[in-house]
Amino acid sequence: DTAVSQTPKYLVTQMGNDKSIKCEQNLGHDTMYWYKQDSKKFLKIMFSYNNKELIINETVPNRFSPKSPDKAHLNLHINSLELGDSAVYFCASSPLGREEGTNEKLFFGSGTQLSVL
Amino acid sequence: AQSVTQLGSHVSVSEGALVLLRCNYSSSVPPYLFWYVQYPNQGLQLLLKYTTGATLVKGINGFEAEFKKSETSFHLTKPSAHMSDAAEYFCAVNTGGFKTIFGAGTRLFVKA
Repeated sequence: DTAVSQTPKYLVTQMGNDKSIKCEQNLGHDTMYWYKQDSKKFLKIMFSYNNKELIINETVPNRFSPKSPDKAHLNLHINSLELGDSAVYFCASSPLGREEGTNEKLFFGSGTQLSVL
Repeated sequence: AQSVTQLGSHVSVSEGALVLLRCNYSSSVPPYLFWYVQYPNQGLQLLLKYTTGATLVKGINGFEAEFKKSETSFHLTKPSAHMSDAAEYFCAVNTGGFKTIFGAGTRLFVKA
């Protein structure tokens, strides 16, 4: 009964390949996110979807394309992988609530460690 | 635009000692402030949050944080460290939308 689950947990691939990471949440949340954590542990938001609609698209290369088939799923596809894409990618979700600050409370998956060789 | 600065990328304390992790924020509007903890090979978990009201916020595992508007700070404390507290701690700020900005993290080491 994992709340936010990502697959795969580890992904090792060659430069130039295309790969996808999947995320699912069973919390009934309306908003989902992708964050990238680099080797120094710095976390940066990449994308956010609210009810399947893209609402945040940070300065991310076009090689990264998120897709949300429904509000419980947010997948991340990466084309032409580069060495600099190596990082841990976290999916997260947040609820839509009346309590102040509810929307901003994030629930994280356990991460996907991507290694590009 | 909002930002978060965590002072000290590494903090080391002895078991039973006070834990103090420092966080300063910058925001043009009243912020929501958060502390998250990340254990090795896991995602982040919420420790506590400040929205409005009482400036001293209590969280899980005995942690608390105090919002000081005049100092733009939101430092995290715990009176007595346990070995299980060893982890990475992130301070974060949000100004009421969908974008949460995280600090660079502070790694807490607890010595026996």
